[in-house]
Amino acid sequence: DAVVTQSPLSLSVTLGQPASISCRSSQSLVHSDGNTYLNWFQQRPGQSPRRLIYRVSNRDSGVPDRFSGSGSGTDFTLKISRVEAEDVGVYYCMQHTHWPPYTFGQGTKLEIK
Amino acid sequence: EVQLVESGGGLVKPGGSLRLSCVASGFTFTNAWMTWVRQAPGEGLEWVGRIKSKTDGGTTDYAAPVKGRFSISRDDSKNLFYVDMNSLKTEDTAIYYCAADSGRYWGQGTLVTVSS
Repeated sequence: DAVVTQSPLSLSVTLGQPASISCRSSQSLVHSDGNTYLNWFQQRPGQSPRRLIYRVSNRDSGVPDRFSGSGSGTDFTLKISRVEAEDVGVYYCMQHTHWPPYTFGQGTKLEIK
Repeated sequence: EVQLVESGGGLVKPGGSLRLSCVASGFTFTNAWMTWVRQAPGEGLEWVGRIKSKTDGGTTDYAAPVKGRFSISRDDSKNLFYVDMNSLKTEDTAIYYCAADSGRYWGQGTLVTVSS
């Protein structure tokens, strides 16, 4: 299985400051079709997950442009340029290049300082 | 508006069975690869299994902890997606979410509690 490891597991950020979450895979996430199937999700307290980013760097519809994804191969990053109060929650990366199974990171809890 | 609505959760004894359903609307269900993801209380997300669209073969894949006990299916005529869960264990206790197309759309989840 492709193991994905997130860091940090918790993050305390001042409003308006940037935040960054790392996701590392145990093997390259480049698929034989040339795409890299790495998604990022946000789960606000008491809510279902919501996809923010697909295939490394593509923002889903309605996702604010302060969220961005980058990376390649085995190393990926989710960045929030200026944290807002509504960004509190847990963030997960998920790979679906190598399946089964799809694998999630452990989650990173973002709180406001 | 896209909607995924799960149902069928509840309390079941260890060794028991349960069927969860997910009804989809607002997108082309027949083209979607559908997934079940679960979340144990206070824990992270865990992929349970997935069924491809019929166009892509309609095959299923499962996570190791549920393989042989869970069975995923779909009824494209009714936009319905199922998981039949047998030989349930206490560690299967979780909120079960259905999701479409690698997590583009999610349901609100349904709670399954396995306890004597």
